[in-house]
Amino acid sequence: DVQMTQSPSSLSASVGDRVTITCRASRGVNNYLAWFQQRPGKAPKSLIYAASNLQSGVPSKFSGSGSGADFSLTITSLQPEDFATYYCQQYNTYPWTFGQGTKVEIK
Amino acid sequence: EVQLVESGGGLVQPGGSLRLSCAASGFTFSSYAMSWVRQAPGKGLEWVSGISGSGDSTYYADSVRGRFTISRDKPKNTLYLQMNSLRVEDTAIYYCAKDSRTYSYGLFDCWGQGILVTVSS
Repeated sequence: DVQMTQSPSSLSASVGDRVTITCRASRGVNNYLAWFQQRPGKAPKSLIYAASNLQSGVPSKFSGSGSGADFSLTITSLQPEDFATYYCQQYNTYPWTFGQGTKVEIK
Repeated sequence: EVQLVESGGGLVQPGGSLRLSCAASGFTFSSYAMSWVRQAPGKGLEWVSGISGSGDSTYYADSVRGRFTISRDKPKNTLYLQMNSLRVEDTAIYYCAKDSRTYSYGLFDCWGQGILVTVSS
């Protein structure tokens, strides 16, 4: 299976900050990489697909980059609703696998 | 608006069975593959099983293969997950997720609210 490793596992930030989360795959995933946001007690919400493409309706404060096996998610101008857990997921190879999550908390 | 509503969860003893359902609306159900993804309490996400839009192709994680069966009923616009020989480690919130393609592509663009399955004696 392709192992997905996110860093950091958690981070503290203030409203208005910019944060970056990284995701590394155990082998290349051909940019078949998605990012999800999960607020407490809620279902995951798709943010980005194909490493850098925003899902419809997702604000441009979210951006993704990377290729091969190394990817990142950047969130600018953090707002209270952005404090959540973020997951990366590869869909290049069965079984589809997720990172362990990065919890973004309010400082 | 796409909606996915899971049902059928609950408490079951180890070795028992449970069938989850996911009622879909707001899109042409047979045109999209579907999957089940689970999340153990306080843990991350784990893909469990997927099925093509036609229902002809099914896929399973090693952890559930031979115990779980995914299926879909097109006239009822409903996805199912039959879970047999349940183990304590199957305890999780189970989400159904809509794929973005007819075939199982693995890109999930819409998720249900989830249903809790607890396996305990």
